[in-house]
Amino acid sequence: NAGVTQTPKFRILKIGQSMTLQCTQDMNHNYMYWYRQDPGMGLKLIYYSVGAGITDKGEVPNGYNVSRSTTEDFPLRLELAAPSQTSVYFCASRSGLVYGYTFGSGTRLTVV
Amino acid sequence: AQKVTQAQTEISVVEKEDVTLDCVYETRDTTYYLFWYKQPPSGELVFLIRRNSFDEQNEISGRYSWNFQESTSSFNFTITASQVVDSAVYFCALSEAFISGGYNKLIFGAGTRLAVHP
Repeated sequence: NAGVTQTPKFRILKIGQSMTLQCTQDMNHNYMYWYRQDPGMGLKLIYYSVGAGITDKGEVPNGYNVSRSTTEDFPLRLELAAPSQTSVYFCASRSGLVYGYTFGSGTRLTVV
Repeated sequence: AQKVTQAQTEISVVEKEDVTLDCVYETRDTTYYLFWYKQPPSGELVFLIRRNSFDEQNEISGRYSWNFQESTSSFNFTITASQVVDSAVYFCALSEAFISGGYNKLIFGAGTRLAVHP
C-alpha cells in the first residue's frame, strides 16, 4: 500500500496565486486531515473530513478551502496565496480506530 | 478543550546520556490516546509510541520508555543511551475518544528539539 500520498513535495508561489495541494490515500480511511507546520512550530489543524461530502474547519482554516468528493482524495485549495501561508503542509488519514493515524510526507510551500 | 504543552523548547545532550521529554495535556474526555512522534531533519513524521488512558502499565520499547501519570496529566518520554541519530524534533499529541463524538482530531504540542552531540 502507498499509504498517504501528497503532491507536490515542493512549490514556490507568488503572492496572489492559487494552487491545490493534493492528498490521496489508498487505505479506505473515512477520516482525513490537513495540518500546517510553520517553521519551528508544531502542527496546527486546518480542515478535516469524516467522510466523502463532509468537511469541517480546524484551528486555522482562513485562506483555505477543501472538498471531499471521494473517500480517497482530500485536496486543499489556496485561493490567494499570502506570505503567511509559507509552511509545510501535512495530510493525514485515519481508520475507524481512534488511534490509527497515517501521515503523508508533506508539501513544503513558499509564498514570495 | 484539548491542549498539549511541551515546555522544553530545546534540549542538548551528549551521546549515551539519558534524556526525558516532558508533555502535559488537557482533556475533558475519560478515554483518550497520547502519542509521541519524531520529526528528523528530513521532515517526515515518524510515529514512535501510543498509549491510551486506560492502560495500566508504562512500557519500554528498546531504548524508548514512557511514563504516563494521569494524576498530573503528564506523558513523558525517555530515550535511554541517546545516539546522534536521535537528534530530531519530538512532538507529543493527544486524541480524544468520546467527547468529539467520532470527529476526533489529533492535537499536537509545539515540539521539543533534541540535539545529541558526539
